[in-house]
Amino acid sequence: QKEVEQNSGPLSVPEGAIASLNCTYSDRGSQSFFWYRQYSGKSPELIMFIYSNGDKEDGRFTAQLNKASQYVSLLIRDSQPSDSATYLCAVKAAGNKLTFGGGTRVLVKP
Amino acid sequence: DVKVTQSSRYLVKRTGEKVFLECVQDMDHENMFWYRQDPGLGLRLIYFSYDVKMKEKGDIPEGYSVSREKKERFSLILESASTNQTSMYLCASSETVGGTQYFGPGTRLLVL
Repeated sequence: QKEVEQNSGPLSVPEGAIASLNCTYSDRGSQSFFWYRQYSGKSPELIMFIYSNGDKEDGRFTAQLNKASQYVSLLIRDSQPSDSATYLCAVKAAGNKLTFGGGTRVLVKP
Repeated sequence: DVKVTQSSRYLVKRTGEKVFLECVQDMDHENMFWYRQDPGLGLRLIYFSYDVKMKEKGDIPEGYSVSREKKERFSLILESASTNQTSMYLCASSETVGGTQYFGPGTRLLVL
């Protein structure tokens, strides 16, 4: 079992709809959780991070964390074609490093 | 704004060559990281450094070494490049342990 798992997609979403991305992790001691967006041919850029159980909202993005069930999700409201990208989930367990999932490719269709 | 720069965007090398990839950050971050990214395998950590002259192996250190002589600069070295090291190499830095990582633009390396 991979430490951080994501569905590779592609997740196809109509413009204006909600995109829902999920990420599960194996280490119960994980402390911090990050969502990065990566456009094709570019490097990852941080969208948001979450440390505590519950929801965290930032503009059209909402991260949801459930440590008991060991998953973190990202919702993108009012999806736009510019949201088409690969979304990487990253998890910090013990130590200095982040472990990244394989990413979910999102396609927003006009 | 955090800026992380990498010495080359594209690099073509021959098998057996010694390859240096350089990364510089301008935010006085303690922590720096080298990843490689391959289709279907995601981002995998090669090495990281949490202080000058300090380094730790990541998940796939074999065939690589690193150097951090100055706080702002972290170099990845391929002692003898092989074709299976063809990949996208990404450098990142962070202010705190386990904190947000800021990535450079990446170096796409092709080993022939």
